[in-house]
Amino acid sequence: NAGVTQTPKFRVLKTGQSMTLLCAQDMNHEYMYWYRQDPGMGLRLIHYSVGEGTTAKGEVPDGYNVSRLKKQNFLLGLESAAPSQTSVYFCASSYSTGIGNQPQHFGDGTRLSIL
Amino acid sequence: ELKVEQNPLFLSMQEGKNYTIYCNYSTTSDRLYWYRQDPGKSLESLFVLLSNGAVKQEGRLMASLDTKARLSTLHITAAVHDLSATYFCAVDKSTNAGKSTFGDGTTLTVKP
Repeated sequence: NAGVTQTPKFRVLKTGQSMTLLCAQDMNHEYMYWYRQDPGMGLRLIHYSVGEGTTAKGEVPDGYNVSRLKKQNFLLGLESAAPSQTSVYFCASSYSTGIGNQPQHFGDGTRLSIL
Repeated sequence: ELKVEQNPLFLSMQEGKNYTIYCNYSTTSDRLYWYRQDPGKSLESLFVLLSNGAVKQEGRLMASLDTKARLSTLHITAAVHDLSATYFCAVDKSTNAGKSTFGDGTTLTVKP
């Protein structure tokens, strides 16, 4: 029972490099989310998706892109990494709001450092 | 804009003592969540509170919700070291695609 799986768990990039973070869930959840967590702060929503093929901007979307080609996967891309994007990135998923009141399920996080 | 404020942000307690963490939110919301995060780990759901007056308990933790005051509390009874963690509250609206707004978290340290 994997739940929400994020890869990679750690990554170090140089400024200007690009990369993609992968999130996979096996709970058949409709909704998926990408957050960043910075020291001493709560989670801030980057982008989210309410279903396959749909994405929307969250609170801090600049510098990131996302895709949801398959229901179980949600990809977060950094086109040109900047030091300000050094953070811990969490993916989460949940049922749609029409199916009960369920919390979000979180992955273990990706620790990303931009030098 | 929905804002969520937690206080205190840092809490150091002695084992066996009681304390309360507060979560205030700025606009009407449908659901309130409490999560726990251990250092370097992911977030784990503790409670989901849906209606005014809702109270849920699990072990030494009890959460309550007052929607009129836009306030939730997480009460810790007879703290033990294993409760040391960061606790987040989050709120969302059923019309908002499940997007939750999180507080900054309360880091709890329980000392022997």
